Amino acid sequence: ETGVTQTPRHLVMGMTNKKSLKCEQHLGHNAMYWYKQSAKKPLELMFVYSLEERVENNSVPSRFSPECPNSSHLFLHLHTLQPEDSALYLCASSQKLTGAGSNQETQYFGPGTRLLVL
Amino acid sequence: QQQVKQSPQSLIVQKGGISIINCAYENTAFDYFPWYQQFPGKGPALLIAIRPDVSEKKEGRFTISFNKSAKQFSLHIMDSQPGDSATYFCAASRGADGLTFGKGTHLIIQP
Repeated sequence: ETGVTQTPRHLVMGMTNKKSLKCEQHLGHNAMYWYKQSAKKPLELMFVYSLEERVENNSVPSRFSPECPNSSHLFLHLHTLQPEDSALYLCASSQKLTGAGSNQETQYFGPGTRLLVL
Repeated sequence: QQQVKQSPQSLIVQKGGISIINCAYENTAFDYFPWYQQFPGKGPALLIAIRPDVSEKKEGRFTISFNKSAKQFSLHIMDSQPGDSATYFCAASRGADGLTFGKGTHLIIQP
């Protein structure tokens, strides 16, 4: 295993439900990410929490809301989702170096949460 | 606009053959090019990565070839084995930004 766990592994929800995805990393990393993986599309970076700062992808709808209470835990809160939001949601973590220069750290992915919106 | 284009979408190779997957990028500011391998039910896992200051990197049966002027890089899997059957993603990043992925290649190695 990669040291990144995600729960639940599978989730079915209606469009009016509110649910949360959880990610936990046991690697001592200081950056965490949410990616969306849809069929026949590239993995899409949704959110980055790096050194306690959030970097957003402005194309992500507001019905997705991330929360990072500490460097080891990351949540993705979901509300009023649409059927097209059905996908595999992947969490990843990495160790970002501080200071200037290129930062080519390895990202370690969790197994993902398979989400189906009915 | 897709910043990293990957081909082919699917690939079938005989056991013992060479599997070749290609990627092209547009952003010349990218400075890190990893390849990820993903098995069903698992998240992607880093396979091998290269920086633009080298033209080739080899780790076991896996080799990345990098052509900076053409803005292309490729993954070669030598002596392909059935256990290599998976989906492969190329990716690129710039500095501390997150990864930009290709669409993936579904590789099947036939025994």
